[in-house]
Amino acid sequence: SQTIHQWPATLVQPVGSPLSLECTVEGTSNPNLYWYRQAAGRGLQLLFYSVGIGQISSEVPQNLSASRPQDRQFILSSKKLLLSDSGFYLCAWSEVGGSEQYFGPGTRLTVT
Amino acid sequence: SQQGEEDPQALSIQEGENATMNCSYKTSINNLQWYRQNSGRGLVHLILIRSNEREKHSGRLRVTLDTSKKSSSLLITASRAADTASYFCATDANSNYQLIWGAGTKLIIKP
Repeated sequence: SQTIHQWPATLVQPVGSPLSLECTVEGTSNPNLYWYRQAAGRGLQLLFYSVGIGQISSEVPQNLSASRPQDRQFILSSKKLLLSDSGFYLCAWSEVGGSEQYFGPGTRLTVT
Repeated sequence: SQQGEEDPQALSIQEGENATMNCSYKTSINNLQWYRQNSGRGLVHLILIRSNEREKHSGRLRVTLDTSKKSSSLLITASRAADTASYFCATDANSNYQLIWGAGTKLIIKP
């Protein structure tokens, strides 16, 4: 069966510090991968998606970047965090040609 | 961009009652999906209904889709305390593997 891991679960970082959030998927090959951000009490904002290694599409211009160094690994990064980067970050995957998405447990990021 | 709009934004009912949530969208779709999110957790896929389907059941869940009105409803029958969560609709409009998400309905089941 497929599983998706995200870490860390919570993170408190000062403004201007770097960020690296990691997501890995097990039990599937060549998944589509997604990074979302969710503000408190709100819906999901798609940040990045990837259909293959090294292929990243960005949906919203921002202070963040994403990379996919391996087939089942998706990394969200920032060189310098802003207060507005605080939020709940969710990684998700879907099968090639599939529509349903499967989510990780999320990372709660607080920028102070 | 946000296509789906859930209604109501919040719903509080007694355990055992039925809960109905609605979702409206703007463009033509391939399918519409419902997800559940427990507080502080990731989303869980509940059910998918295709554009050529009108109704679908899964356990205590019943989903309807009206493409002429661009709307869907999710009915949870015989609600339980464990159903307390936020529920999101998402539409697949065949746009580069993306889903378009609504803002969610927060459901509270009172024991």
